[in-house]
Amino acid sequence: GEDVEQSLFLSVREGDSSVINCTYTDSSSTYLYWYKQEPGAGLQLLTYIFSNMDMKQDQRLTVLLNKKDKHLSLRIADTQTGDSAIYFCAESFSGGATNKLIFGTGTLLAVQP
Amino acid sequence: EAQVTQNPRYLITVTGKKLTVTCSQNMNHEYMSWYRQDPGLGLRQIYYSMNVEVTDKGDVPEGYKVSRKEKRNFPLILESPSPNQTSLYFCASSLQGPNEKLFFGSGTQLSVL
Repeated sequence: GEDVEQSLFLSVREGDSSVINCTYTDSSSTYLYWYKQEPGAGLQLLTYIFSNMDMKQDQRLTVLLNKKDKHLSLRIADTQTGDSAIYFCAESFSGGATNKLIFGTGTLLAVQP
Repeated sequence: EAQVTQNPRYLITVTGKKLTVTCSQNMNHEYMSWYRQDPGLGLRQIYYSMNVEVTDKGDVPEGYKVSRKEKRNFPLILESPSPNQTSLYFCASSLQGPNEKLFFGSGTQLSVL
C-alpha cells in the first residue's frame, strides 16, 4: 500500500538552508504537498508540486521531486526562527474511485538563533 | 477572514458519553474532511464529504459518524467514545477536491477517560 516516510528531526542554524526529505512508495499520486504545523495550530499548506514536475520554486522554498527514486524534498533558504515547526509531506491520489491523501509522520525543524 | 473553525478546542470526556465536535468553514468550499493526528502516525483521514449529503469513509472511520446537511458545516460525532479515540482532531476544507490544497482548522484535543 501507500506509505510516506520522513526523518523525525532536523536542526539548523538561523540563516542556513534547511532540507527536509520525504520518500514515498506509490508513484501514481496526483500532487505532492508540504504542510507546516506550528505549535498549537492546524496544518498550513506551504507549497505543492504536480506529480509530473521535477522542481518548483516559491520565494525561499524549493521543492524537488525525483520520481525515479520516489523522493521529495523541501529546501528552505535563509532559514529563520519563525520556520521552526513540524513539516509534513503528503501524497494525494484523486480520480475515479480513489480519493486519498497520505501524510508522512512529520519532521520537526528546530532553528537555532 | 477565510477560516475553518472547530469547537471545542479541548475536550475531556468519559467512555461511552456521546459527543460532537463542530466544524464550520466560511469559504464556500464543497469539500470537507476530518483527520486525527497521533504521535508517530501522522494524520489519518476519518471521513470526507464531496458536497451536501455526500460523505464517504476515509482510512479510519470506525467509531465515528459525520453529517453534511449544510455546505458550511461538517460535524464529527462519536456516539460511544472509547479511550483509543483520544487524539488530536482536525477538520479541513478545500475548493479543489477532498485531498487537494486543504485549509485546516486549529484542532480539537480530545481525551477519553
